[in-house]
Amino acid sequence: RKEVEQDPGPFNVPEGATVAFNCTYSNSASQSFFWYRQDCRKEPKLLMSVYSSGNEDGRFTAQLNRASQYISLLIRDSKLSDSATYLCVVNRNTGNQFYFGTGTSLTVIP
Amino acid sequence: ETGVTQSPTHLIKTRGQQVTLRCSSQSGHNTVSWYQQALGQGPQFIFQYYREEENGRGNFPPRFSGLQFPNYSSELNVNALELDDSALYLCASSVGLAGGETQYFGPGTRLLVL
Repeated sequence: RKEVEQDPGPFNVPEGATVAFNCTYSNSASQSFFWYRQDCRKEPKLLMSVYSSGNEDGRFTAQLNRASQYISLLIRDSKLSDSATYLCVVNRNTGNQFYFGTGTSLTVIP
Repeated sequence: ETGVTQSPTHLIKTRGQQVTLRCSSQSGHNTVSWYQQALGQGPQFIFQYYREEENGRGNFPPRFSGLQFPNYSSELNVNALELDDSALYLCASSVGLAGGETQYFGPGTRLLVL
């Protein structure tokens, strides 16, 4: 079983739409969680960390459910510039090794 | 920009050859992690270096090896290249080994093995 599983999409949504991505992780020892964004042929860049209480950064909201081993990312009022692949990342507190999902592809259509 | 640099940006090799990829970490960062990202996949952890020592290794064969230097820059070496080694190789720098530390990625090296 993969350490981190994501729906690869693609998600094609109109500008202004709200879209949600989900991610599950298999190892209950996982302690830290992140969403990274990766543009085509570029490196992953940190979008936001995910905290147990949930957190929001502008149009982006991340949620963590430890009991279900589930992470989500909600994007409101989608912009064309949100088009990218969104990578779910988990790590355990030893060694800071990152485990990535395969990524979810989002295209925001005018 | 993250301040993490990698060289070269692109590389073409043939099967059986050897390759060395280089990474300079962000100032103040003493940990470098290397990842392999095949097309359409998420990055896969290769290994991590902390203060010049290997600290953790993913499911990669011994022909993948690395080094970290006193200035915390790092090298990834791959011997006996195979076609499946064609991928984007990413390095990421961070501070220390505590979980939860953000990793900052370099632009990657695209390796094509023919």
